[in-house]
Amino acid sequence: QVQLQESGPGLVKPSQTLSLTCTVSGGSISSGAYYWTWIRQPAGKGLECIGRIYTSGTSYNPSLKSRVTMSLDTSKNQFSLKLSSVTAADTAVYYCARTIAGTGGAFDIWGQGTMVTVSS
Amino acid sequence: DIVMTQSPDSLAVSLGERATINCKSSQSVLYSSNNKNYLAWYQQKAGQPPKLLIYWASTRESGVPDRFSGSGSGTDFTLTISSLQAEDVAVYYCQQYYSAPITFGQGTRLEIE
Repeated sequence: QVQLQESGPGLVKPSQTLSLTCTVSGGSISSGAYYWTWIRQPAGKGLECIGRIYTSGTSYNPSLKSRVTMSLDTSKNQFSLKLSSVTAADTAVYYCARTIAGTGGAFDIWGQGTMVTVSS
Repeated sequence: DIVMTQSPDSLAVSLGERATINCKSSQSVLYSSNNKNYLAWYQQKAGQPPKLLIYWASTRESGVPDRFSGSGSGTDFTLTISSLQAEDVAVYYCQQYYSAPITFGQGTRLEIE
């Protein structure tokens, strides 16, 4: 059974870089059969797709593209998110999620989420 | 970006009654080459991540009770819970994956009347 778990600092200072990691267990991240996505949700608000990564590339939300970098670490079966120049507007629960390639973009497995607060 | 608009924002339904949530996309999410609607529905309970209920607009995810069903095509979609159970209290989201960036509706809060 595939499971995803987010990890990273819960507090980031304004203008700094937010760094999160998603560890995948029960399956291989290097399989071309899946896409790996970061999604965030400000408290009490809706869901925003930040971007996704797959073995052959990345796709970022244009609204965040200038600040986002995603990468895969196949040796650790992890993928990561870096969001630079953060502000209070980036405070949210950050989720990692999986999509089965070929199914388009429905997210069948999610991590539990990690809360990130941007504050000095 | 494709804008997803759900209605209503909140809904209160009696136990055992039918609950209906609507989702409208700002442009069609029907891919003509395969005749599939790139539309999914999720359930999010308090303090939990979203859970996939329906994909391709009407295909139920494995393990999802059959009281949940999805319908619609093109720009107008519906999630129906045929007989509301107490455990169905949650916020429900629609999502399009027709084009990047993937976008979600604003959510519909479902409560027991």
